[in-house]
Amino acid sequence: GAVVSQHPSWVICKSGTSVKIECRSLDFQATTMFWYRQFPKQSLMLMATSNEGSKATYEQGVEKDKFLINHASLTLSTLTVTSAHPEDSSFYICSARDYTGLGGTQDFGPGTRLLVL
Amino acid sequence: DAKTTQPPSMDCAEGRAANLPCNHSTISGNEYVYWYRQIHSQGPQYIIHGLKNNETNEMASLIITEDRKSSTLILPHATLRDTAVYYCIVRPAGNNRKLIWGLGTSLAVNP
Repeated sequence: GAVVSQHPSWVICKSGTSVKIECRSLDFQATTMFWYRQFPKQSLMLMATSNEGSKATYEQGVEKDKFLINHASLTLSTLTVTSAHPEDSSFYICSARDYTGLGGTQDFGPGTRLLVL
Repeated sequence: DAKTTQPPSMDCAEGRAANLPCNHSTISGNEYVYWYRQIHSQGPQYIIHGLKNNETNEMASLIITEDRKSSTLILPHATLRDTAVYYCIVRPAGNNRKLIWGLGTSLAVNP
């Protein structure tokens, strides 16, 4: 499958600071990237869909001013958690769509574990 | 809400075939069946997908019933490294279509 990387793999920050997470598609151009959040023992929850060159589409209940998404190129999308609080501690995962026709697949990054103290 | 139903957990002996069932009785004609797995603390990994025909790749086989209301993922010779949560997802064709994740099946492969 296609390779998607994330950086950093884990981050610890103080409450009130902002954290930026990068998602890169390494061997293909991704017009669409997705950002997910996963709490312990729960499934993945889609936060937003990001299309290159346009504003992200956020899922219901996800604050767009708190979770800033930028998809400025076909290989890079960033998620910035602004003014992070302990309840934002979670596993953040991005995925990129390698569109190969009607049944195209999504490939996922390794995830970023965020701990807000 | 996820459109699939999976058993919460299963066990399998190492070297044996693991057969993971999934019910998707409300699947529509243009929806594909996707299987992903997630090993602990990692991002999900794509396994296989299909529309109505059975599919096989180097990782697994996907058997879809004729009425498409259920499917089975088969890992032919399970290893300890196959221990993971396996997710069955139905998704319409087309770009930007979302994957809706359920709780999956936690597969434990035992030595």
